[in-house]
Amino acid sequence: GAGVSQSPSNKVTEKGKDVELRCDPISGHTALYWYRQSLGQGLEFLIYFQGNSAPDKSGLPSDRFSAERTGGSVSTLTIQRTQQEDSAVYLCATGIYQETQYFGPGTRLLVL
Amino acid sequence: QQPVQSPQAVILREGEDAVINCSSSKALYSVHWYRQKHGEAPIFLMILLKGGEQKGHDKISASFNEKKQQSSLYLTASQLSYSGTYFCGTGYGKAAGNKLTFGGGTRVLVKP
Repeated sequence: GAGVSQSPSNKVTEKGKDVELRCDPISGHTALYWYRQSLGQGLEFLIYFQGNSAPDKSGLPSDRFSAERTGGSVSTLTIQRTQQEDSAVYLCATGIYQETQYFGPGTRLLVL
Repeated sequence: QQPVQSPQAVILREGEDAVINCSSSKALYSVHWYRQKHGEAPIFLMILLKGGEQKGHDKISASFNEKKQQSSLYLTASQLSYSGTYFCGTGYGKAAGNKLTFGGGTRVLVKP
């Protein structure tokens, strides 16, 4: 596709359930980032993948959060045992090493 | 550590100018500027690398003062379409993992 796509666009879940969020990068982009944006707040870095290197997981808020990137392309962010404070917009961005990051439309997660 | 953006909000009349600052407590390698409209993904505006270069896009330009560890975004002759929240993302180079740390954002409202 022409841009970064994310699915689902909206997700409502119950506290304690697991959720998976997907990011399809722009073809050829080797760098992939996950961010979280709470209502009215800035962008909080979660995790960064660059090519075949080990991911930078330094932004993950707890061990309930994990992400993988298969074949250097699609990425999945998994949140286990969701909590209400996990409610936010989860944004994926992709780019070429050290260059511009292009953001997807985000997944709006609401944990009830 | 999160860069500090100022002001937090600004209201302009169409045609007026504004300056948004982004200050870092650490030496900067790069600064990325984004604009986000309500409910939408951040859109890339420009990237500046250390060296004091200045860039422009239409009537929006930016400067990077390496010595002051600061970047400024200049909105000239503002248009209604400039309304949104502006974020700076600061990069600290390969040693820091090439990820961006975003400021809290500056809300800009341009009125007719």
